[in-house]
This record gives sequence, C-alpha cells and structure tokens, in this order.
Amino acid sequence: GAVVSQHPSWVICKSGTSVKIECRSLDFQATTMFWYRQFPKQSLMLMATSNEGSKATYEQGVEKDKFLINHASLTLSTLTVTSAHPEDSSFYICSARTGQNSYNEQFFGPGTRLTVL
Amino acid sequence: AQSVAQPEDQVNVAEGNPLTVKCTYSVSGNPYLFWYVQYPNRGLQFLLKYITGDNLVKGSYGFEAEFNKSQTSFHLKKPSALVSDSALYFCAVRDPGRRALTFGSGTRLQVQP
Repeated sequence: GAVVSQHPSWVICKSGTSVKIECRSLDFQATTMFWYRQFPKQSLMLMATSNEGSKATYEQGVEKDKFLINHASLTLSTLTVTSAHPEDSSFYICSARTGQNSYNEQFFGPGTRLTVL
Repeated sequence: AQSVAQPEDQVNVAEGNPLTVKCTYSVSGNPYLFWYVQYPNRGLQFLLKYITGDNLVKGSYGFEAEFNKSQTSFHLKKPSALVSDSALYFCAVRDPGRRALTFGSGTRLQVQP
C-alpha cells in the first residue's frame, strides 16, 4: 500500500513554544490530508481536513489559530501547534487520500507523540 | 450524523480459535465501512473495506468482515487467531457526503498462546 511518513516521531517541548509536525505521502499524490489526535486508550478524533492549495477545514471545537495546518503541495502537509501547553500533549496522526472518491481508503502515518512540559 | 459503535473494549481469544470484533454503524446513506489495526505507538494500518457488492469482504492477514445492512453491522472476523494479531482494532465509517472517516472507540484484541 501507499506510504505516509511523519516527522518527528516524537517531540518534547517547553510550554509556550511552537512545534511543527510534517506529514508526507511518499509514493502518491495526496489530494486530501487529514489530521487526527489520539489520547491514551481512546479513539482518533478528527481535527481538520486539508486540500492542497486551500485552507484547512477544522472540526468543531478545534482552534484554527492554535493548530495551524498548511498543505503546500500534493505530498506535504504540516501541523504547527502554536504556544503549546501541557494539555496539547497527545499522539498526532496524519492520513492522506488520493483522488476525490470518498471510498478510497486513507493511508495513515506512524504518528507523532508530542509532550509539552 | 454518522457514528460507529464498538461495544467491546477488549476481546480475549485463545490462539487458533476464531475471533470476532463487533462493529455497528449509523449513517444517513449507503455506508463506506473500513477496518484498521493499530500496533503500539504506530499509525493505523488498513485491513479491509466495504463499498458495495458481496457482503463478505476479505482483507489483509486473513481477516474478513461481514456487512449486514439489516443489523447495520460490520463485524471483523478471522477463522484462526494468532498471537501476533494482538492489537487495537478500529472500525470506521464514511458517509458518502463527507470526506473524513469517523472512528469507533476501538477494541483491544488479546490473543493468548
């Protein structure tokens, strides 16, 4: 199947700093990328959906000014957690899908574990 | 709104025995249904999907799932469990009108040797 990578795989930062997480589709062009957040022993919660070259669509309750998403190319999307606080500590997972058909499966990255001290 | 329910937090099964992980869904139209598996500190791996056609869908690693429209269920099954199948399993649904998947709460499968 298609491969999605994330970098970094884990990051520890101080409260108040910003952290950028990259998501890349390695062998396909991702017209749509999704960012999820997963708390320990819980399911994935969709944060936002982004299409290449346009603004991301955020889910209700997700602060767009805090979680900046950029989908600059068909193979790269970034999530920046601005002014991070301990409550932002979580496992962030991106996924990518090619094409417009909603029945195409999404391919998931390995996740990034963010710890804010 | 679309939703998915996985009624079991954990399923325990002995190696070699058949396994079933349950999933029920609710969508406004015809559902697109998916199963994913997650190993510790890893992203999700796609197992199988149902879009249309035969109600029994075969996927990766010997898994299969049965779509039952009348019961709005999409249970994951495997005839003979392996210890290496131990992981967290997520059922997901996509309403054709939405782009993103909605995930169930996950079921932890524990296969004992």
